[in-house]
Order: sequence, then structure tokens, then C-alpha cells
Amino acid sequence: KNEVEQSPQNLTAQEGEFITINCSYSVGISALHWLQQHPGGGIVSLFMLSSGKKKHGRLIATINIQEKHSSLHITASHPRDSAVYICAVYTGNQFYFGTGTSLTVIP
Amino acid sequence: NAGVTQTPKFRILKIGQSMTLQCTQDMNHNYMYWYRQDPGMGLKLIYYSVGAGITDKGEVPNGYNVSRSTTEDFPLRLELAAPSQTSVYFCASVGGLSNQPQHFGDGTRLSIL
Repeated sequence: KNEVEQSPQNLTAQEGEFITINCSYSVGISALHWLQQHPGGGIVSLFMLSSGKKKHGRLIATINIQEKHSSLHITASHPRDSAVYICAVYTGNQFYFGTGTSLTVIP
Repeated sequence: NAGVTQTPKFRILKIGQSMTLQCTQDMNHNYMYWYRQDPGMGLKLIYYSVGAGITDKGEVPNGYNVSRSTTEDFPLRLELAAPSQTSVYFCASVGGLSNQPQHFGDGTRLSIL
């Protein structure tokens, strides 16, 4: 049983589409992180949130603590958004990671 | 700022060989982590450190050792390489606790043959 579940596992979208990636978790958390892993392998942190909603450019992240659920939205998707998006939760002791959502945006 | 630097980027080992994966950060972060990433699996924590001189096991520590003699360096040691240790290894650091993002190195792709 994984502490963090993501859906979908794979996602293909046309350029300009609105994209949603979901994350559910089963443990108590201090914070939730959204990470982006590019085809070259590097991992960067996109968002860290413990409540509500955050926005950075075309990316929006929301979290519902009561439902133990978070979503990552990408508006007006672009081929450069193609990457693996990883949800991670911090329990106060360590991080647990989802298996990632592989996004491909077609021009 | 270099951030988190991992070396080497690629390595091929024979079964039974040993090696050290190096990780250095220049952000004066207290918390450092070693993860492995296997195909189709989420990142798994191998070892972590909350400060110089303090290390602790993560989810998958068997076959690995770490040390943290300085704030900057957190090397990961494989003593007797096994094919099951073929993976991509990531080092990460965090400045504080839950209110800080993780900074990742570029990864080390390790193959054991």
C-alpha cells in the first residue's frame, strides 16, 4: 500500500488544454510538495503547500486537508510542460512520494 | 549558487565492487536525504541526516551506509554492489522543516552488472 497515490499515471494533451493531476495520501502531513522531473532526470520543486491554493504562472496547486487530496492544474498547456509530475508529502519525519504522472503535451 | 551537486553522473559497477556516491550542498542546509528511483516506482528514502554527525535509516537502507562529518557533504557508500542496487540515486537537501522546498541534485545513474 502506497502512502501517496497519483492519477492518472500517463496523460497526453493537445497544446492549450487545461490539465489536472490528482494526488491522494493516507498519512498525516505537515506539507505537500509538487515536483517536476524533466526527461533529462533533474527534479525541481514547483509548489509546497499545507492549506488552500497557490499559483505560479500557469500552474495552480490546491489542497484539501480534510479529504487528504491535492490537485495540480496547468492552464494553457505547452509542449515544454511535458515532464513527470510527482506529488510528495512530508509527515514531519520524512517524505513519501507518489509514482508520478507522465505528461506529454502535443503541439 | 551550485545548489546540490552529485558525482558521478553515471557509473557501471561489477557485482561485489564498492563505491561512494558523493553529494555536496552549498546552501548551509541541515537536512539531507538520499533516495533511489526505480522504473515505475516513487522515490524511496535510503538514509537521511538532520545535521552534521547525525544520520538515520530510511525505508530501504540495506546495502548502503552514509556519513555526515560536515554540513555540506553527505556521501552514500555501497560496500558490496548487487544487481538489485541498479537504480538512479538522488541526493536532496532542505533548509528547514515543512516550510521549505527540497533541492535535488541531478542524480547518479548506477548500473550493477
